[in-house]
Amino acid sequence: LAKTTQPISMDSYEGQEVNITCSHNNIATNDYITWYQQFPSQGPRFIIQGYKTKVTNEVASLFIPADRKSSTLSLPRVSLSDTAVYYCLVGFSGGGADGLTFGKGTHLIIQP
Amino acid sequence: GAVVSQHPSWVICKSGTSVKIECRSLDFQATTMFWYRQFPKQSLMLMATSNEGSKATYEQGVEKDKFLINHASLTLSTLTVTSAHPEDSSFYICSADGVRVNEQFFGPGTRLTVL
Repeated sequence: LAKTTQPISMDSYEGQEVNITCSHNNIATNDYITWYQQFPSQGPRFIIQGYKTKVTNEVASLFIPADRKSSTLSLPRVSLSDTAVYYCLVGFSGGGADGLTFGKGTHLIIQP
Repeated sequence: GAVVSQHPSWVICKSGTSVKIECRSLDFQATTMFWYRQFPKQSLMLMATSNEGSKATYEQGVEKDKFLINHASLTLSTLTVTSAHPEDSSFYICSADGVRVNEQFFGPGTRLTVL
């Protein structure tokens, strides 16, 4: 079971780049790394997914070192609306509930 | 695309009554749907995995006779909280499998308050 560890909370300011790191020391060969964002009283929303190296989409980048024991979600130029809880999940389809285990997440607070 | 809806968005009921929550995939077919529960300021906890046409698989500690799950079609899964009690008050969220590995599309959630 590839558990994840993230900082409980972070804060930053509008316009800054924010990096949230997730540790997953027991990641398995087949596991992917997926990040979700959740606003209060809403369901989580998919942000980005990766297996190795770097992945970038229109909202974020995901950096994964060669040993894959950690990953960093990078949010460029954050705004107040990026205040949310961010979850890192590790697993793979067909792996049962392992890939569906949400850790405590990181509560990101963006200030003006 | 890939929208999941839930109904109702919130419900208040008396202790001892049953409440049904619907989860629908609006523009895609979902062979597998998942049900989560989230208490205030806590993370999501997976309750069960629902496969179309078969019995749901419940996580350890989740009472299958209390939380009845039915997945009768590829676009609808229902969760019925039977004989609800105040401790069942929570935010219930469903999700459906996406295309990417471990990608899930989540519904907006249902806030259940049991008086």
